[in-house]
This record gives sequence, C-alpha cells and structure tokens, in this order.
Amino acid sequence: DTAVSQTPKYLVTQMGNDKSIKCEQNLGHDTMYWYKQDSKKFLKIMFSYNNKELIINETVPNRFSPKSPDKAHLNLHINSLELGDSAVYFCASSQDQTDTQYFGPGTRLTVL
Amino acid sequence: SQQGEEDPQALSIQEGENATMNCSYKTSINNLQWYRQNSGRGLVHLILIRSNEREKHSGRLRVTLDTSKKSSSLLITASRAADTASYFCATGGGGGNKLTFGTGTQLKVEL
Repeated sequence: DTAVSQTPKYLVTQMGNDKSIKCEQNLGHDTMYWYKQDSKKFLKIMFSYNNKELIINETVPNRFSPKSPDKAHLNLHINSLELGDSAVYFCASSQDQTDTQYFGPGTRLTVL
Repeated sequence: SQQGEEDPQALSIQEGENATMNCSYKTSINNLQWYRQNSGRGLVHLILIRSNEREKHSGRLRVTLDTSKKSSSLLITASRAADTASYFCATGGGGGNKLTFGTGTQLKVEL
C-alpha cells in the first residue's frame, strides 16, 4: 500500500493553462506539505497544512493555491502556468512539523 | 537562504569503499535528518538525530552531529552500487516549525 500518493506522475501542458495535482496519505498524519524541486535538485517548501489549516505559506506566487478537503488530502492548483513553473512537485506528510517526513513519488510538471 | 549546505556536491567512489558526506547549518535545531533520493523518485527518510545526541547508527549508516560546529556527517560503509543516489540533510526546529533541506550530495558508487 502506497503511503503517500500523487497524481498525475507526469503533466505536460501549455503556458497559461490551469492544472491541479492531487495528493493523498494513508498514514494518519496531521501535517502535509508541498515542495518544489528545480532542475538543480534544490528542494524548497511551498506550503504546509496541519489538520486542514494552512500553517506555512512560503513566498509562492498566488497563482498557486493549496486546498485540503480533509487531513488525508492536500491538492495543489496552479493557475496561468508559466515556463518557470516547470519542476518536480513533491507532496509529503508527517505526524509533527519537524518529524520524519514521508514523500510521494513526485509529479514532473513541464510547461511548454 | 538554505539552512543546510552539503559537502561535497558530488562524490564518486568504488563499490566497497566508504562514503562520507557533510552538512552544515546556520541556526539552532531540534533535530537533523538525512534523506536519500534515487533518480526520478521521492525522498526516503534514512535517519534522524536529535540535538542532544552525538552519534547514531542504522545498518551501514553512521550519523554524527556536532551542535557546537553546527555540522553533521553521514558515513555509508562498504558502499554498494545501489547506494547511488542524492543525499540530503534536513534540519528541524530552526527558523520555524518546518524542515529545511540542504543542497544535496550526489553519490555515485561504481562497480
């Protein structure tokens, strides 16, 4: 059973489109995250939710909007996609905010 | 800016040799964690060491933490080709309630 799952695994789209990435965890964790990993493998946190409440919102364009319908799901919606949004996006979860994190397999987003 | 920086950025060794990676950080921490990332995959947690611990072992992994120097090292003994991956340190508790990842070390173990 996959602990943290993301869909889709690959996403290729045109500039200006709106897209969503979904994440689900079955670990019973309270906290979920979205990270962006660029081509140099630099991993940067974007958002963190604890029990459906936003607790971390790093300097991310407001074209990115996370949504947590329940504590097992954290989706990421991106409006008006730009070339610079191309990256691998990872979802993760943990019980506490500085505890061990469990990562999903990643979604490779390519904006053309 | 990044909390953790790893050194070296890339390391290439022969199978059977030991691999040592270092991580330096800037602020006080509650814990420091090491993760592995295989190409095209998500990060996998390897080991967590708390700020009041100095050394921890897990199988072929040995992690040390020196809070006075704000540094940690990860030693992989008797490396195998399957250890080829990127290794990241992450600090918890410094700069807010989140993990901050380092820049990573790319390890290549050749047969």
